[in-house]
Amino acid sequence: SQTIHQWPATLVQPVGSPLSLECTVEGTSNPNLYWYRQAAGRGLQLLFYSVGIGQISSEVPQNLSASRPQDRQFILSSKKLLLSDSGFYLCAYQQLTNQPQHFGDGTRLSIL
Amino acid sequence: AQTVTQSQPEMSVQEAETVTLSCTYDTSESDYYLFWYKQPPSRQMILVIRQEAYKQQNATENRFSVNFQKAAKSFSLKISDSQLGDAAMYFCAYLKTSYDKVIFGPGTSLSVIP
Repeated sequence: SQTIHQWPATLVQPVGSPLSLECTVEGTSNPNLYWYRQAAGRGLQLLFYSVGIGQISSEVPQNLSASRPQDRQFILSSKKLLLSDSGFYLCAYQQLTNQPQHFGDGTRLSIL
Repeated sequence: AQTVTQSQPEMSVQEAETVTLSCTYDTSESDYYLFWYKQPPSRQMILVIRQEAYKQQNATENRFSVNFQKAAKSFSLKISDSQLGDAAMYFCAYLKTSYDKVIFGPGTSLSVIP
């Protein structure tokens, strides 16, 4: 069976510091991978998605970036965090075309 | 462009009663997929139910069922015998066939009154 792991679960970072959130998927190969951000009580905003190693599509211009160094690894990064980067970040995978997305447990990011 | 609308930002239901959450979507496609996700206070996103547009039969998963009206582009979720654990944010979602991105609605917050 497939599983998705996302870490850390909670992160508190100062403004201007770097960021690295990691997501890995097990039990499947060549999944589509996604990063979403969710403000409190709000819907999901798609940030990045990837259909293969090294292939990244950006949905929203910002100071965040994503990378997919391995087939089942998806990383969300920033060189300098802004206050507006605070939020709840969710990673998701889609095993096959026309299948639903499945989500990790999320990372709660607070910027001080 | 496809859009998903959930016109009820908040709903409440008495425990053991039935509640229906509304979802409408806009698309010119004939082949697509629809989903309902549940996000409890833990904020984990959980797939509740899925519906293929080519299937006329409404999907059912235990106490959860949908009313899929393709011509009306409506996809409502019915929760029967509501339980306290059903309290959550519910998101309706649309996926065009062979497309990579799911379109999510803004969500409906469901409260269950004991």
